[in-house]
Amino acid sequence: GENVEQHPSTLSVQEGDSAVIKCTYSDSASNYFPWYKQELGKRPQLIIDIRSNVGEKKDQRIAVTLNKTAKHFSLHITETQPEDSAVYFCAAVDSGNTPLVFGKGTRLSVIA
Amino acid sequence: DVKVTQSSRYLVKRTGEKVFLECVQDMDHENMFWYRQDPGLGLRLIYFSYDVKMKEKGDIPEGYSVSREKKERFSLILESASTNQTSMYLCATREALAKNIQYFGAGTRLSVL
Repeated sequence: GENVEQHPSTLSVQEGDSAVIKCTYSDSASNYFPWYKQELGKRPQLIIDIRSNVGEKKDQRIAVTLNKTAKHFSLHITETQPEDSAVYFCAAVDSGNTPLVFGKGTRLSVIA
Repeated sequence: DVKVTQSSRYLVKRTGEKVFLECVQDMDHENMFWYRQDPGLGLRLIYFSYDVKMKEKGDIPEGYSVSREKKERFSLILESASTNQTSMYLCATREALAKNIQYFGAGTRLSVL
């Protein structure tokens, strides 16, 4: 089955700097890669996703890149702000009804 | 807006009690999931369901069972609660096929004493 590794487990950046979180997956059949943000005490919420027919996707300050050959995808946050502080989860799944497989999460702290 | 409602935010139970965690969704999604979340271990899948009366084991089903009698409701059951089941429990729902976007409930923090 699918296995998703996520690094780093914790990340501290200064406000205004960029943050990058990386994930690798094992199943070449996976073709949907979402990223979830979980603020303290709140539910995980989808912030961006990418499908295997696309190499990069941007939404304002966040972007995701996908390298299908190497089986890795990354989340990039530019101009970080204190409200970006949260736990971020990557996930992977194929197009069927199989469950999302999540990475273990990255705790991002943005220091003002 | 998708609504995934978990019946309790906080729950305190005694060892050996039977515990029911309820989840209700209003979007007619076929797929529903139960996860537990522990620090450093991420989101671990307990059980999931693709349809009414249907269930599949996830990665950590031991000590748990589920029930899905109606499409909108998915219940997680701890037959005999133990202290190592103290955790945050998250329900999630997702459309079959289509966009694959998964929505989470707010979570139930269960403490077993």
